[in-house]
Amino acid sequence: GENVEQHPSTLSVQEGDSAVIKCTYSDSASNYFPWYKQELGKRPQLIIDIRSNVGEKKDQRIAVTLNKTAKHFSLHITETQPEDSAVYFCAATLWGNEKLTFGTGTRLTIIP
Amino acid sequence: SQTIHQWPATLVQPVGSPLSLECTVEGTSNPNLYWYRQAAGRGLQLLFYSVGIGQISSEVPQNLSASRPQDRQFILSSKKLLLSDSGFYLCAWSVSGEAFFGQGTRLTVV
Repeated sequence: GENVEQHPSTLSVQEGDSAVIKCTYSDSASNYFPWYKQELGKRPQLIIDIRSNVGEKKDQRIAVTLNKTAKHFSLHITETQPEDSAVYFCAATLWGNEKLTFGTGTRLTIIP
Repeated sequence: SQTIHQWPATLVQPVGSPLSLECTVEGTSNPNLYWYRQAAGRGLQLLFYSVGIGQISSEVPQNLSASRPQDRQFILSSKKLLLSDSGFYLCAWSVSGEAFFGQGTRLTVV
């Protein structure tokens, strides 16, 4: 089955700086890679996703890059703001599959 | 639009008592349904998933069970709770990959 590793487990950055979270996956058949944000005490919510037919996707201050050869993908947050503080989870699956495998999460803290 | 309902939001139960958490989905048919557990400060552990009525796959051996009596209803149960069952339980549904989570149930076993 799929195995997803996520680093770092905690990350603190100064407000306005960039944050990068990295994930690797094991199953070369996986082709869908979503990122979820979970604020304290709340449910995880999808913030951005990427499919294997593209190498990068951007949505305002958030971007995700994918390297299929190396089987890793990353979340980039630029111009960080206090409301970006949360736990971020990466995930990987084969589109249409019933199982979504999550990474272990990264607790991001933005320092004002 | 699709919505997912999960209740209760919080629950305090004594050790040895039974458990029943319910999750229902509206606005979609034949969704994949999931139960995840999140221990304090930890990641999302998949407990059960279901691709159809009466079809349950268990990911980890444990003190819990799941049932899907209707297409859009998923129930997490235990006959006797353990202290280690405490955590944040999340129900989720998906159709082809993207998952949508319920609000979660914070279970404290005392």
